[in-house]
Amino acid sequence: GQQLNQSPQSMFIQEGEDVSMNCTSSSIFNTWLWYKQDPGEGPVLLIALYKAGELTSNGRLTAQFGITRKDSFLNISASIPSDVGIYFCAGRANAGGTSYGKLTFGQGTILTVHP
Amino acid sequence: DTEVTQTPKHLVMGMTNKKSLKCEQHMGHRAMYWYKQKAKKPPELMFVYSYEKLSINESVPSRFSPECPNSSLLNLHLHALQPEDSALYLCASSQPATGRAEAFFGQGTRLTVV
Repeated sequence: GQQLNQSPQSMFIQEGEDVSMNCTSSSIFNTWLWYKQDPGEGPVLLIALYKAGELTSNGRLTAQFGITRKDSFLNISASIPSDVGIYFCAGRANAGGTSYGKLTFGQGTILTVHP
Repeated sequence: DTEVTQTPKHLVMGMTNKKSLKCEQHMGHRAMYWYKQKAKKPPELMFVYSYEKLSINESVPSRFSPECPNSSLLNLHLHALQPEDSALYLCASSQPATGRAEAFFGQGTRLTVV
């Protein structure tokens, strides 16, 4: 089946530092999503990407849909303690229309921010 | 309103019990999902309902039985579970007709099987 390789698996950074994580796949995806999950909560959607090469920002977060459609990255600038959590990438391979959109998830990046 | 509501938030059940997890959304979404998630792992898809019809069952054991009474509600009936079924169960919804893949998740039900 399809797999997403997400890296790094974990990061320990100081408050104020920038963070970068990425996902790669051996197959093409038409959609990339980035989620953040706090302990005991459900994943929260951060950014959705639909076009190859697309660069989208959401506050201090920036994500890009790779030109080859096989990768995506997420950057967080000037990290703060509340950025702590697990970040998941997710991709959808099939096209839109009436499809329900089965998502493939990466293994997650655990982010720890030291004050 | 981008809210998916799950009840209960926590559930402890014995291996002979029957219980149900409930999920509700009022975003007009016509696809609803059940996921199972173990600690520090990604969500694993269990079931997909599209337009109130079961469209995907990811080879889930029959002790898990989904039900979609209407376009806003999704239930997961549990019976004769095993301790290894203890996990966070997540409900999600999306709107297939728009072609957009964003799935919105509920807070989850933390299930413990004793």
